[in-house]
Amino acid sequence: RKEVEQDPGPFNVPEGATVAFNCTYSNSASQSFFWYRQDCRKEPKLLMSVYSSGNEDGRFTAQLNRASQYISLLIRDSKLSDSATYLCVVNSYSGAGSYQLTFGKGTKLSVIP
Amino acid sequence: DTAVSQTPKYLVTQMGNDKSIKCEQNLGHDTMYWYKQDSKKFLKIMFSYNNKELIINETVPNRFSPKSPDKAHLNLHINSLELGDSAVYFCASSQDLGITEAFFGQGTRLTVV
Repeated sequence: RKEVEQDPGPFNVPEGATVAFNCTYSNSASQSFFWYRQDCRKEPKLLMSVYSSGNEDGRFTAQLNRASQYISLLIRDSKLSDSATYLCVVNSYSGAGSYQLTFGKGTKLSVIP
Repeated sequence: DTAVSQTPKYLVTQMGNDKSIKCEQNLGHDTMYWYKQDSKKFLKIMFSYNNKELIINETVPNRFSPKSPDKAHLNLHINSLELGDSAVYFCASSQDLGITEAFFGQGTRLTVV
């Protein structure tokens, strides 16, 4: 079983649509969770952290269900500029006092005019 | 002012050559990483260093040798390049070994011919 699994997509949605991405992780001892965004031929950048209580940043809402080991990202009122690959990222203890970010393969989103 | 900078951005070289990629961060972070993103866009950690000390060394051929002269720099030297080494290599840094955000460089697109 892959450590972090995501639906690769692509998701093709019209402007203004609401789209949801899901992610599952296998390491129940994982400590923290993130969504990163990666534009074509660019580096990954942090979009938002994900907290157990759920958190919102403008049009973006992230949820974490530790019992199900499931993370989600909801994008409302999609914009053309939201087109990118969204990476689910899990930070787990890897020994020697350090943590390791494990990336999912990403879900590609294309927002269509 | 670029936070994590790596050079070169593009590198095309022949099989069997030795090449280096340089990385510098001006964020004052203690921890630096090398990630490899293959043609399937999967981002996988190769190495992590904390205050110039090697912390994580994933299953990477020993042709790959990281060097950290100080905590702001983490260079990657690759010997005897192979076709399968073609990928995008990302340098990243984080504040420390804990559960923190990682900041990525723009990537080095290595093509071995």
